[in-house]
Amino acid sequence: KAGVTQTPRYLIKTRGQQVTLSCSPISGHRSVSWYQQTPGQGLQFLFEYFSETQRNKGNFPGRFSGRQFSNSRSEMNVSTLELGDSALYLCASSLGTSGDNYNEQFFGPGTRLTVL
Amino acid sequence: AQSVAQPEDQVNVAEGNPLTVKCTYSVSGNPYLFWYVQYPNRGLQFLLKYITGDNLVKGSYGFEAEFNKSQTSFHLKKPSALVSDSALYFCAVPLVFGAGTILRVKS
Repeated sequence: KAGVTQTPRYLIKTRGQQVTLSCSPISGHRSVSWYQQTPGQGLQFLFEYFSETQRNKGNFPGRFSGRQFSNSRSEMNVSTLELGDSALYLCASSLGTSGDNYNEQFFGPGTRLTVL
Repeated sequence: AQSVAQPEDQVNVAEGNPLTVKCTYSVSGNPYLFWYVQYPNRGLQFLLKYITGDNLVKGSYGFEAEFNKSQTSFHLKKPSALVSDSALYFCAVPLVFGAGTILRVKS
């Protein structure tokens, strides 16, 4: 099975712009989560989607949004970029069912976003 | 709210010696606990998990972890460290990751 794929792998944007990142989960995985990884803050949870519904949301401003499509692919969008948004954005998929949270996550390689 | 703590930023071990990377947790209800590893330029990989049952969980690459309910700990262990084990290790509960511990194994 192919692993989790993320596109693009690298992005350079300027402050005030917006960006869309894409994630394709492992085939058969219905749960997709997004994380922001920075040297200072570590891995911070952004949101989790299951069957096109946002199931959990982290403590990030409304500039960060996401969605999941019927084929389980997911996108996240960051509007009005700030310098502090520079980070590695990781997508993870898991088998997941509507109620459980004990399945391990499989991570993609990440999208490295640099905001200038 | 669920949380995990990794008290050590870095652990240094000589090759061939046993290693331990520490993790403590705070959850309500039954804990679901995970260890992940992040190698340079290779992304995060799942190592092992505790859901229920035996307190000693075995995982990938010879790693194991010991669940201790009374101490609310889930320490990662390996009997004999390899230089190739050098990486960043994360303890996690669902959707919440610890700060990570850098493991350096020296030959």
